[in-house]
Amino acid sequence: GAVVSQHPSRVICKSGTSVKIECRSLDFQATTMFWYRQFPKKSLMLMATSNEGSKATYEQGVEKDKFLINHASLTLSTLTVTSAHPEDSSFYICSAEARRNSGNTIYFGEGSWLTVV
Amino acid sequence: QKEVEQNSGPLSVPEGAIASLNCTYSDRVSQSFFWYRQYSGKSPELIMSIYSNGDKEDGRFTAQLNKASQYVSLLIRDSQPSDSATYLCAVTRLRGDDKIIFGKGTRLHILP
Repeated sequence: GAVVSQHPSRVICKSGTSVKIECRSLDFQATTMFWYRQFPKKSLMLMATSNEGSKATYEQGVEKDKFLINHASLTLSTLTVTSAHPEDSSFYICSAEARRNSGNTIYFGEGSWLTVV
Repeated sequence: QKEVEQNSGPLSVPEGAIASLNCTYSDRVSQSFFWYRQYSGKSPELIMSIYSNGDKEDGRFTAQLNKASQYVSLLIRDSQPSDSATYLCAVTRLRGDDKIIFGKGTRLHILP
């Protein structure tokens, strides 16, 4: 099956610094990747859609200057949380869309726990 | 209007019984349907996909699709405590952009 790798799985950073999270599709090319945030016991919240070679599409209420997304290749998208604050502490999950003749399928990365202290 | 609806639960099912999870969707042109399982603190994992009307079985899991009634369900036979998780229903919204829309999930609790 398809595999999506996310790194790091856990990161602690100081308030005011930036942290980058990587999302890689390991055995398929993904023109579209998605970034989610999830608070404990809450639903997945789509933050943005990352399109290879073009600007990301952000959901309403998500600050594009704070959550920088780069999708420079067909297998890698990165999310950079800039000037992180404690309220940015959350579980960040990426997913990648595998396009096949039988239909499109979404595969998720393992997720990244961000703690801002 | 929400596009994919699920009962948030929690749904409590005794161990060994059949757990039935339901999902309805609003877009009639949807063609691909998925069930994901998410354990607490983990990311979702794909457990079933279904594309045509009827039943699709995979081990203890059976996905059922009824496009006329716009619902898709997941049955888990011989429920185990390890099946306790949140189950997310996802549907492709074929409006030219192939976006996959997720429901908010149903929490399932298997009672030992």
